[in-house]
Amino acid sequence: AQSVTQLDSHVSVSEGTPVLLRCNYSSSYSPSLFWYVQHPNKGLQLLLKYTSAATLVKGINGFEAEFKKSETSFHLTKPSAHMSDAAEYFCVVTKPNNAGNMLTFGGGTRLMVKP
Amino acid sequence: ETGVTQSPTHLIKTRGQQVTLRCSSQSGHNTVSWYQQALGQGPQFIFQYYGEEENGRGNFPPRFSGLQFPNYSSELNVNALELDDSALYLCASCNYRSSYNEQFFGPGTRLTVL
Repeated sequence: AQSVTQLDSHVSVSEGTPVLLRCNYSSSYSPSLFWYVQHPNKGLQLLLKYTSAATLVKGINGFEAEFKKSETSFHLTKPSAHMSDAAEYFCVVTKPNNAGNMLTFGGGTRLMVKP
Repeated sequence: ETGVTQSPTHLIKTRGQQVTLRCSSQSGHNTVSWYQQALGQGPQFIFQYYGEEENGRGNFPPRFSGLQFPNYSSELNVNALELDDSALYLCASCNYRSSYNEQFFGPGTRLTVL
């Protein structure tokens, strides 16, 4: 069984300040973890993925996440927010090395960026 | 390279009706998954099709059914629509032989049940 908890439903930051979106997971095996972003009226886009290689994962648009097994966390960070980062973000867990397997999504975090 | 496409974009139905949603997978992909995203929630896995057969199913009743065609496109059918079926339905495709688990999502079909 697997589950994901995104600890904040809404996060608001000012442009140019750091972003932290928190995610904790539960899994009975070593999981693969992802962050997806969803802009209004657009499909989900993969930001980054952890698949048991390096624990610090770099993604697109300056985002990165660190896999911490002891804390069962996979928090998403970005040093400096941009207005275009405003969107819904989803933390996702799945079984490793099993392409096409069921993705389990967290409830989402809406990121708002103030000018 | 053509991405995942879905049709229609929006749909309005009434309770008890039946609906069919369509998805064309990305070029080179042989696996299609369907997800339901209720307003304000994360997507939930409905089922997956590989080799024209259901390859896994989430916690959805049998009135949710699907098909996959030889060209890897797919349909999601929902019978006896209920108000709670109102949601964004997302289709995702991938290559089952890929080791990276990356699924590519379409823009979705927004279904409203009145």
